Amino acid sequence: LAKTTQPISMDSYEGQEVNITCSHNNIATNDYITWYQQFPSQGPRFIIQGYKTKVTNEVASLFIPADRKSSTLSLPRVSLSDTAVYYCLVGDLQGAQKLVFGQGTRLTINP
Amino acid sequence: DAGITQSPRHKVTETGTPVTLRCHQTENHRYMYWYRQDPGHGLRLIHYSYGVKDTDKGEVSDGYSVSRSKTEDFLLTLESATSSQTSVYFCAIRETATYEQYFGPGTRLTVT
Repeated sequence: LAKTTQPISMDSYEGQEVNITCSHNNIATNDYITWYQQFPSQGPRFIIQGYKTKVTNEVASLFIPADRKSSTLSLPRVSLSDTAVYYCLVGDLQGAQKLVFGQGTRLTINP
Repeated sequence: DAGITQSPRHKVTETGTPVTLRCHQTENHRYMYWYRQDPGHGLRLIHYSYGVKDTDKGEVSDGYSVSRSKTEDFLLTLESATSSQTSVYFCAIRETATYEQYFGPGTRLTVT
């Protein structure tokens, strides 16, 4: 399973765009990149998933360069409610999909 | 919430006692997972199941056993609880069509 590295913490302000980058240098050919969000006292919640280039949904965008050794989660116009821990995971979607969570990035949004 | 419930939601037990946590799902998903989360750590996979009576170990399986006798229930047992097993335990299912994992509300276990 590919190991991921992401910043331990980030701070931003309401209305700003926030970009969280994840490094995954040993990503395998069949691996997808998935981001989860976790609020205190809750289980993680799926945000977005991609394989290459760009993926966008109603919540976020995911940018993946051609070499796929990193990825960037982009949250547009954040609000206080986006304060959470964000996890980047890399793995094959087939089979049991044993997710390996790192320490995640603790994002704090300030007024 | 993908129809996932966990019971109990909170439990305090003494060292050396057996404890069983239950995860129940209502949507017939094949894959189910048990994770633990400790302060300052991400989630760590304990065991997972890929069908009735089909289970396998995760990264922190020592001291834990699991059983899945029917699709909807995945049980996690601590045969003899230790203080190091004080944690929040999350159950998850994997959605077949989208590969997303959905997590239950968690069980906070304290071993004194």
